[in-house]
Amino acid sequence: DIQMTQSPSSLSASVGDRVTITCRASQSISSYLNWYQQKPGKAPKLLIYAASSLQSGVPSRFSGSGSGTDFTLTISSLQPEDFATYYCQQSYSTPPVTFGQGTRLEIK
Amino acid sequence: EVQLLESGGGLVQPGGSLRLSCAASGFTFSSYAMSWVRQAPGKGLEWVSAISGSGGSTYYADSVKGRFTISRDNSKNTLYLQMNSLRAEDTAVYYCAKDWYYYDSSASNAFDIWGQGTIVTVSS
Repeated sequence: DIQMTQSPSSLSASVGDRVTITCRASQSISSYLNWYQQKPGKAPKLLIYAASSLQSGVPSRFSGSGSGTDFTLTISSLQPEDFATYYCQQSYSTPPVTFGQGTRLEIK
Repeated sequence: EVQLLESGGGLVQPGGSLRLSCAASGFTFSSYAMSWVRQAPGKGLEWVSAISGSGGSTYYADSVKGRFTISRDNSKNTLYLQMNSLRAEDTAVYYCAKDWYYYDSSASNAFDIWGQGTIVTVSS
């Protein structure tokens, strides 16, 4: 199984900050990497697919990059509604689909 | 509006059974593979099972293989998860999710629509 490791596990930031979250795969997954946002008590929401493609309706302050084993999710200017937990997920080698452990983004 | 609505969760004793349902609307259900993803309290997301659009192919996580069965009724636009021999570690919110193939490749898959989740608690 492909293991997905996110860093950091948690992060404190302020409104307006630029934030980057990293996801590393245990082997190359090409660009088959997705990012999700989850708010407390809610279902996950797809933000980015294919490593860098913005899902319809997602604000342009979110961006993704990377290929192979190393990927990043960047929020260019944090907004109050962005404080949530973010997960990466690989679809290159399935089953099983595997997720990172999550990165909790908190208000500083 | 595209929507998934889970039901069937509840409290069950260890060793017991439960069947979850996920009612789909707003899209051609039979055209899409579907998955179940769970989240234990305070933990991350764990993929559980998937089924092809026709229902002819099914896939399971090792943690549930032999105990859980995924199925679908395309005439009712409904996805199911039959859970047997439940354990305390199966306690979680169970989400159904629609598989979206954004390119013409089996690897180009993301979960673009999620239900609100149903809570399963396994405890004596």
